[in-house]
Amino acid sequence: DTGVSQDPRHKITKRGQNVTFRCDPISEHNRLYWYRQTLGQGPEFLTYFQNEAQLEKSRLLSDRFSAERPKGSFSTLEIQRTEQGDSAMYLCASSLARLGGQETQYFGPGTRLLVL
Amino acid sequence: DAKTTQPPSMDCAEGRAANLPCNHSTISGNEYVYWYRQIHSQGPQYIIHGLKNNETNEMASLIITEDRKSSTLILPHATLRDTAVYYCIVCYGQNFVFGPGTRLSVLP
Repeated sequence: DTGVSQDPRHKITKRGQNVTFRCDPISEHNRLYWYRQTLGQGPEFLTYFQNEAQLEKSRLLSDRFSAERPKGSFSTLEIQRTEQGDSAMYLCASSLARLGGQETQYFGPGTRLLVL
Repeated sequence: DAKTTQPPSMDCAEGRAANLPCNHSTISGNEYVYWYRQIHSQGPQYIIHGLKNNETNEMASLIITEDRKSSTLILPHATLRDTAVYYCIVCYGQNFVFGPGTRLSVLP
């Protein structure tokens, strides 16, 4: 299966610890997105990359959050000094953006974070 | 904020067609209508999208009204595995804004 993959699938951490999540997009997809989803809500956009460049960040992405996509392939999302409010599902999606065309985002299975 | 309105929940009998409505009265001319679904504890799954014309694929049909202010996702023969939250999104480019969606329960 060459879909979007995320690692780990589940993470339990203590408040104040740092965590890092990884996303591997569909091969040749040039855009990669991170979303956050809390219980009973739809996914909320956090940030996205086109190749290596981070083009947009949501106001939800506080200073404790940082995302990278160093070689334009996989991406990492790091949360520093985790808080209980960071407990959520973190979703990654990828798409192939073409000039003048509409793109479809394909989602990974998500990483479920629980901060104790 | 999401530009769509969907009923919070719906039931459907197994084997019958499931018709999920979505209102998007402020849709712009270049915005597409997308449908995704999310089965418990999984990532959203792409179903179908369209601009003006009705669309059909192996999963579903999408009916968009002529004024484009509303649409309906049709699952022709719902199965228990179609139980999920269904999201209707309107967007142009990459700006996906999800609402709370419709929780579809397919009943045996």
